Amino acid sequence: ETGVTQTPRHLVMGMTNKKSLKCEQHLGHNAMYWYKQSAKKPLELMFVYNFKEQTENNSVPSRFSPECPNSSHLFLHLHTLQPEDSALYLCASSQEIARARSTDTQYFGPGTRLTVL
Amino acid sequence: GNSVTQMEGPVTLSEEAFLTINCTYTATGYPSLFWYVQYPGEGLQLLLKATKADDKGSNKGFEATYRKETTSFHLEKGSVQVSDSAVYFCALGPGGGADGLTFGKGTHLIIQP
Repeated sequence: ETGVTQTPRHLVMGMTNKKSLKCEQHLGHNAMYWYKQSAKKPLELMFVYNFKEQTENNSVPSRFSPECPNSSHLFLHLHTLQPEDSALYLCASSQEIARARSTDTQYFGPGTRLTVL
Repeated sequence: GNSVTQMEGPVTLSEEAFLTINCTYTATGYPSLFWYVQYPGEGLQLLLKATKADDKGSNKGFEATYRKETTSFHLEKGSVQVSDSAVYFCALGPGGGADGLTFGKGTHLIIQP
């Protein structure tokens, strides 16, 4: 099983739909992250979880709702999105929120390509 | 806050050419520095990392040295291959109040046979 998996790989949804993105890590890590990758913009950190507790929310609109039921799984619930939310959504994990440089490497999943019509 | 600046490209080179992709940063403290690579249709893969000043990260023929005096972490490879074609991201480790990585915009590298 590869380190970080994401499903679905591609998603097309209308603005009134509700959908969820799933991320699972098989690395025994305790920290998980959601990033947004839009064309011509740097990757943007959205949410951070450490030991299932949310530690960071980077001013993300409430139409994005994260959930972390355990250290291995991370969800991103989507509702009433806008076309400008179309992007590649990347999940990552690390051993823990970095307290030492030996543990701050993040490992990424393949991403979910989201298109909002 | 932390920030990363890197050349955006596209950078087009011939096979076996020497590669340099520039990366400079501003940071609070001295975070780890990373290069990630993204192949078409895939997520980001860690290419190399350096954790302190003067450290050199290396992998698959790529190298980068953590230069505190010039706040730089330039990526180099002596002889590129067509398979190196990808987007390369320079990133700062957590710090300055942020738990995530801070990325540059990415450099699209195209290697022609």
